[in-house]
Parts: sequence; structure tokens; C-alpha cells
Amino acid sequence: GDSVTQKQGQVTLSEDDFLFINCTYSTTTYPTLFWYVQYPGQGPQLLLKVTTANNKGISRGFEATYDKGTTSFHLQKASVQESDSAVYFCALVPMSNYNVLYFGSGTKLTVEP
Amino acid sequence: DMKVTQMPRYLIKRMGENVLLECGQDMSHETMYWYRQDPGLGLQLIYISYDVDSNSEGDIPKGYRVSRKKREHFSLILDSAKTNQTSVYFCASSLRDRGETLYFGSGTRLTVL
Repeated sequence: GDSVTQKQGQVTLSEDDFLFINCTYSTTTYPTLFWYVQYPGQGPQLLLKVTTANNKGISRGFEATYDKGTTSFHLQKASVQESDSAVYFCALVPMSNYNVLYFGSGTKLTVEP
Repeated sequence: DMKVTQMPRYLIKRMGENVLLECGQDMSHETMYWYRQDPGLGLQLIYISYDVDSNSEGDIPKGYRVSRKKREHFSLILDSAKTNQTSVYFCASSLRDRGETLYFGSGTRLTVL
């Protein structure tokens, strides 16, 4: 079935550290892939989106590349700030059901000053 | 202003009571969703609505039902709430096209005692 896996439940960094959050996916066809971010007390909001047409998404200093070979969609940022502290969700919309978004379990990022 | 509004923000009910969670959106989106969020599980889809009176079960529909009589309004109903339905519930909306962004409300934290 369609699924997304985030193995890192929590990540703690210091300001200006490099961020890498792992995400792998499983689906029978080429999905559209997303990263959503959830700040405390809020619902998730879109961070970036990547389709098979563009392969890479960049937003607010965050970057994710769609790798069909390894079925991965890792999130990176060169230098994190305390304001980046949030929960990050990887998600996919499969070709077979284009209205349904499948979420990973989320990675809680804490950035210490 | 693009907004998804959920009411109430916090709710405490006793086991066996009926629960009504309300959601509204002002973007004329055709598709609306109910998700629940539990620690370590990410967001799980309960129901999806493609338009008025056009609803489909998601991954975990048992114990829930929905109602959509107007495009801008989507309700989640728990008949005889159970303690394992304690969770944070999120409503979301999107345009119908594939891979469109989901816009989430701020959530309702439901506690069933």
C-alpha cells in the first residue's frame, strides 16, 4: 500500500547546524511529495511540494529532492534557527487516489540557541 | 482571507456521550478532510468529503460519521464516545485537483473521560 516512513522521531540541534530529516516512501506509482510543518498549537501547513516534473522543492531555506531510485525525499536546511523548531511531516499523494494525503509519523525538531 | 476554522478548540466529554466537531472554510474548496493526530502516529485520515453529501471513509472511520450539507461546512460526529477517541482532531480543505495543498484548521483537542 501507499505509505511514508520517517524513522527519526526527534532531532535536537543548535542554531546554525545543518538539518537532515530522513523520509522514504512506498507506492506503486510516482506520487506527489510534500513536506508539511506544524508549529505548536497550530495545524500543519505546507512547507514545500515536489512532483515528478520538477524533482526538487525549495522554500524558506529548506530543500527536498525527489529520488525515485531510492524512493526517498529527505528534507535539508543548511543552517537552522530557533524559529525552525516544529514538527515536520513528510507526505505523499499517490497517483491512484489523488485527493488523499498520506502522512509520515513526523519528526520533532528542537533548535537550541 | 483563506481560513479553516474549527470549533471548539478544547472539549471534554464523558464516555458514552455524543460529540460534534465543526469545521468551516471560506475558500470554496470542494474537498474536505477529517484527520486525527496521536503521538508517534502522525495524522490518520478518518473521512474525506469530495463535495456536499459525497463522503468516503478514510483509513480509520470506525466509531465516526460525518455530515456535509454545505460546501463550506463539514462536521465530525462521534456517537457514544470512547476513551480511545481522545485525540487532537484536524479538519482540512483543498481544491479537488491532484496534489493540491491541504489547508488545516488549528485543531480540536478532545478528551473522553
